[in-house]
Amino acid sequence: AQRVTQPEKLLSVFKGAPVELKCNYSYSGSPELFWYVQYSRQRLQLLLRHISRESIKGFTADLNKGETSFHLKKPFAQEEDSAMYYCALSEPGTYKYIFGTGTRLKVLA
Amino acid sequence: GAGVSQSPRYKVAKRGQDVALRCDPISGHVSLFWYQQALGQGPEFLTYFQNEAQLDKSGLPSDRFFAERPEGSVSTLKIQRTQQEDSAVYLCASSYTGINQPQHFGDGTRLSIL
Repeated sequence: AQRVTQPEKLLSVFKGAPVELKCNYSYSGSPELFWYVQYSRQRLQLLLRHISRESIKGFTADLNKGETSFHLKKPFAQEEDSAMYYCALSEPGTYKYIFGTGTRLKVLA
Repeated sequence: GAGVSQSPRYKVAKRGQDVALRCDPISGHVSLFWYQQALGQGPEFLTYFQNEAQLDKSGLPSDRFFAERPEGSVSTLKIQRTQQEDSAVYLCASSYTGINQPQHFGDGTRLSIL
């Protein structure tokens, strides 16, 4: 069965430090992968998707099929990046998302 | 509207009562999804609609859960004879077509069963 694993429940970094939020998945094919973010008191919103290959708010994520990973990275964390981050997988041609359990990022001043 | 709207934001019910949760998707969005998010967990898929057709209800945890979207826009998730384990945040999402499209989420309804 498909599964998304986010091994860290909480990640604390200092402002200006690099940040990497880990996401591993189990799926035999080529999935569609997404990162969603939930800021305090806001709704879940799309941060980026791997097929777009774009950088949003300084974040990037590269799909590594060999390691079945889709880690989210940012070279210099900002305080406003503090939020809950969820990695999600969707099988190509389907609609169903499978979410990880989420990682709370705290960026300390 | 500007986004997916869910009501009520909070619902407290006694065990055994029936509850109904409403979702108003983004105008023009064909696909609508319901997710259940327990404390400390990621959202888990419950059911999917394309227009008024419920194409997948494989995630509904029991026959006490029922969802409908009779006119292809607003959807209602109903839980009958609520149990304490039903306490969770219920999220609704919509997307334009559904297939591999980004889903837009509402604020959710936090359901607490006493």
